Amino acid sequence: SQQGEEDPQALSIQEGENATMNCSYKTSINNLQWYRQNSGRGLVHLILIRSNEREKHSGRLRVTLDTSKKSSSLLITASRAADTASYFCATVGTYKYIFGTGTRLKVLA
Amino acid sequence: SQTIHQWPATLVQPVGSPLSLECTVEGTSNPNLYWYRQAAGRGLQLLFYSVGIGQISSEVPQNLSASRPQDRQFILSSKKLLLSDSGFYLCAWNPDGVSGNTIYFGEGSWLTVV
Repeated sequence: SQQGEEDPQALSIQEGENATMNCSYKTSINNLQWYRQNSGRGLVHLILIRSNEREKHSGRLRVTLDTSKKSSSLLITASRAADTASYFCATVGTYKYIFGTGTRLKVLA
Repeated sequence: SQTIHQWPATLVQPVGSPLSLECTVEGTSNPNLYWYRQAAGRGLQLLFYSVGIGQISSEVPQNLSASRPQDRQFILSSKKLLLSDSGFYLCAWNPDGVSGNTIYFGEGSWLTVV
């Protein structure tokens, strides 16, 4: 399977803490994207990092990419209860978007 | 504006019955279109994608088929549903058709096969 894997599978933290989730993948990529899914809903795009980039920021989100290790991480700083959701990485080749298994994040108020 | 519509939102079908899920998009021409399936609490499995009318790429051998009869319409079908077809089906699109750009998801269709 080409599917990537997120680690941890589930994460529970207190509001205000930082949340870090990791993604490992198997194939070469053009870029890697992170998405968020609220329970029972479609996915929403968060951030895109290209294969020649190592780090990218967007608001409270920080994404890193290490193509030599085929891994990426997503850091959410100063988490809020509203950040509770599942987070997925997606590796992007030619036309195909392959999603990982996801990390379920729960932020406790 | 660019929008994606997916229906029905929920359906319960008996084993052996046919299936038709429809996805339509608005606001652009020649988008790339995708069907994914998500089992409960699991990741997304790419089922089909299409880069043009009548062009369908199948990712996983299964009991499903896809068609793109019009530029902005993508249909997921089955002639005879299996219990294992139950899941959350998501349509997605890349509006400008440029490989690697962001894709946007519909709200999904919950299918329960009984």
